[in-house]
Amino acid sequence: GQQVMQIPQYQHVQEGEDFTTYCNSSTTLSNIQWYKQRPGGHPVFLIQLVKSGEVKKQKRLTFQFGEAKKNSSLHITATQTTDVGTYFCVMADDKIIFGKGTRLHILP
Amino acid sequence: DVKVTQSSRYLVKRTGEKVFLECVQDMDHENMFWYRQDPGLGLRLIYFSYDVKMKEKGDIPEGYSVSREKKERFSLILESASTNQTSMYLCASSLWGLTKETQYFGPGTRLLVL
Repeated sequence: GQQVMQIPQYQHVQEGEDFTTYCNSSTTLSNIQWYKQRPGGHPVFLIQLVKSGEVKKQKRLTFQFGEAKKNSSLHITATQTTDVGTYFCVMADDKIIFGKGTRLHILP
Repeated sequence: DVKVTQSSRYLVKRTGEKVFLECVQDMDHENMFWYRQDPGLGLRLIYFSYDVKMKEKGDIPEGYSVSREKKERFSLILESASTNQTSMYLCASSLWGLTKETQYFGPGTRLLVL
């Protein structure tokens, strides 16, 4: 069946360092979404990517969708303490599959 | 503003009890979802509904049932709670187009089954 791998599972970075999380699918996707969940909170939608090779930016966050539409990445430049949380990719083809998430911890 | 509410933030039940988790959305969304979230496993879809009285099994429906009698309300039922159903339960809704729409999540219900 369709699977999605998200790596790394955990990431500790110094404040100000960059951070990247990756998602890989075993099949081609129609779109991918990214969500953020703060500690103790619920997932909140960040962005959706639809086109092959698409790149979108939200301030310090850069989202990419692979050319083959099988992988995606989220990159945060110069992390801040407000970036703490778990970042999920959600892959959608004929069903919705959440990645297991990458938990980002910021060291002051 | 989009709003999804869940009936309880915390719930403690005993093994064998029947448990109802309620979710209400005020956005006139077509789709509603129930997930459970466990450490290391991420979010797993239990059931979803794309219309009133319609339901579809997700990835882990065993031990659960759902009810959607009104568009704004989606209930998750644990017929006979077991300890392995201790988890965080998240409800979500989306406008339409099952796989292409933003999902809006409720605050979650943390269920402990003793």
